[in-house]
Amino acid sequence: DAKTTQPPSMDCAEGRAANLPCNHSTISGNEYVYWYRQIHSQGPQYIIHGLKNNETNEMASLIITEDRKSSTLILPHATLRDTAVYYCIVRVARNSGYALNFGKGTSLLVTP
Amino acid sequence: KAGVTQTPRYLIKTRGQQVTLSCSPISGHRSVSWYQQTPGQGLQFLFEYFSETQRNKGNFPGRFSGRQFSNSRSEMNVSTLELGDSALYLCASSAGQPWGSTDTQYFGPGTRLTVL
Repeated sequence: DAKTTQPPSMDCAEGRAANLPCNHSTISGNEYVYWYRQIHSQGPQYIIHGLKNNETNEMASLIITEDRKSSTLILPHATLRDTAVYYCIVRVARNSGYALNFGKGTSLLVTP
Repeated sequence: KAGVTQTPRYLIKTRGQQVTLSCSPISGHRSVSWYQQTPGQGLQFLFEYFSETQRNKGNFPGRFSGRQFSNSRSEMNVSTLELGDSALYLCASSAGQPWGSTDTQYFGPGTRLTVL
């Protein structure tokens, strides 16, 4: 199973890009990478997911390395409201369903 | 559209008791998943229900169980509570596959369970 590791914390200046890394060095070919974030006292919120190709939506971009052993979530212009814990999650297919490997999360602090 | 609602929001129980938590998904969503979040273990997947059937299960003991009703509302039950069951229990709903390629999963605010 792919194990996911993330740095425990990061800082970013408001208006700058926030680049949050995730290592999933044991990932296999059919395992998706998901990113969620959790603002204090709320439930997690979906951000983006990908399998092999880079992905972009209105919230963020997801860059997956060619060997798929790591990925980076990019918030292009961080705002104070982006302060949250960001989770990298790998979905592992199983014969009878799937398993989920959650990273411990990166606490992102966006400063003025 | 109303979001995912969970009741109660806070709960205090003692060891050995049992507890039932409730989750109402977003209208039209047929999949409900449950997760446990603790400071030590982080987020962990409990189980997923779709159209009243348990579709997937995480690695938790049999004391943790759940069910889904015909209106898609779901309950989870923890029997013989242990101190380590103290956690934030999160429910999430999606239209179809919560961890598939197209459907988005929406989380509720969680139920904070404290076991004394």
